Amino acid sequence: NFMLTQPHSVSESPGKTVTISCTDSSGSIASTYVQWYQQRPGSAPISVIYEYDQRPSGVPDRFSGSIDSSSNSASLTISGLKTEDEADYYCQSYHRTNHVLFGGGTKLTVL
Amino acid sequence: EVQLVESGGGFLQPGGSLRLSCEASGFTFRSYWMSWVRQAPGKGLEWVANINQDGSEKYYVDSVKGRFTISRDNAKNSLYLQMNRLTVEDTAVYYCARDRGGYHIIDYWGQGTLVTVSS
Repeated sequence: NFMLTQPHSVSESPGKTVTISCTDSSGSIASTYVQWYQQRPGSAPISVIYEYDQRPSGVPDRFSGSIDSSSNSASLTISGLKTEDEADYYCQSYHRTNHVLFGGGTKLTVL
Repeated sequence: EVQLVESGGGFLQPGGSLRLSCEASGFTFRSYWMSWVRQAPGKGLEWVANINQDGSEKYYVDSVKGRFTISRDNAKNSLYLQMNRLTVEDTAVYYCARDRGGYHIIDYWGQGTLVTVSS
């Protein structure tokens, strides 16, 4: 079975930029879309990026997504960090074998 | 506005059964795949199952195959998850989610319903 691997935690100061990575063990990240979800404590997840780099309406343009086929990874970048961005972030993709996959999640702390 | 409202969670003993429901509104329910995703206390998200528009295709994570059954009633705009032979490892918040099919992009989530399995 394939896996999506994320760093357990990241931290950065308000106003700075942080990047969270998501590495696909299948080696074929470019053949399936990657999504990113934000989950604040006690709340349901919400979509912040879909199809690698698309933002749902209402999501600030401080959130951006990208992929790097050479490292088989996707990334979520949040610029101009705000304290309200403090949350858990999950990547998600699809594989024929595992069907729907989530990464283990990354806890973002904005200190 | 897309709304997904789960119900049916509760506390039960190992080996028991439970049926979760999800009522959808704000979109054409019969046009979308739907998924169940769960989150154990303090843990990450785990996809559980999904179902296509007319219920003819269903997929499950290995850990629930043979115990859980996903179904839908398009006339009632409702999604269900029948859970049998529950174990303590099934304790989680269960989210209903809209699934765009194809690459199974989940775009909307309900607020979740808590299932606690304990002796």
